[in-house]
Amino acid sequence: GAVVSQHPSWVICKSGTSVKIECRSLDFQATTMFWYRQFPKQSLMLMATSNEGSKATYEQGVEKDKFLINHASLTLSTLTVTSAHPEDSSFYICSARDTGTPRGEQFFGPGTRLTVL
Amino acid sequence: GEDVEQSLFLSVREGDSSVINCTYTDSSSTYLYWYKQEPGAGLQLLTYIFSNMDMKQDQRLTVLLNKKDKHLSLRIADTQTGDSAIYFCAETFTGGGNKLTFGTGTQLKVEL
Repeated sequence: GAVVSQHPSWVICKSGTSVKIECRSLDFQATTMFWYRQFPKQSLMLMATSNEGSKATYEQGVEKDKFLINHASLTLSTLTVTSAHPEDSSFYICSARDTGTPRGEQFFGPGTRLTVL
Repeated sequence: GEDVEQSLFLSVREGDSSVINCTYTDSSSTYLYWYKQEPGAGLQLLTYIFSNMDMKQDQRLTVLLNKKDKHLSLRIADTQTGDSAIYFCAETFTGGGNKLTFGTGTQLKVEL
């Protein structure tokens, strides 16, 4: 099946620094990727839809200047958390949509645990 | 917005069947999905059902959809300890642009 990787799998950083998370589709091309955030024992909340070659579409309440998304190629999307603060600590999960499947199925990465001190 | 609700916790004995329930509010669902999440990991797609179907069986998994009541369930037969995880239902809907709306998640604990 389709594989999506994320890097890093976990990161600890100081308050005020920026952190970049990568999401790669390893064996298929993804014109659309999605970024989610998950707090402990809670569901996934969609942050933004990342479209290759164009600007990301952010969900209501998500600061686009805080969470920068770049989808520069058909296999890579990046999420940069700028000037991270402790409240940004969370589990970030990406998914990539495989348009080669009948339903345009989303395949999920393993997640990145961000801890901001 | 769309609301997708699940019960928080379910405990079953190994070998028994588990039934995880999900209710949703959006009547324009296209596909409904069940995902499994193990601790500290991403989501694994278990199965899905098209919104005009009533039932789908896939090995130990049976999905039932009652569109009138907007109720979706996942039955796991012969539940094993390896089935312990959090289960999320999710839906895509007409006009949603392939966005998934996730349920609140049900933690399944399988006891010996």
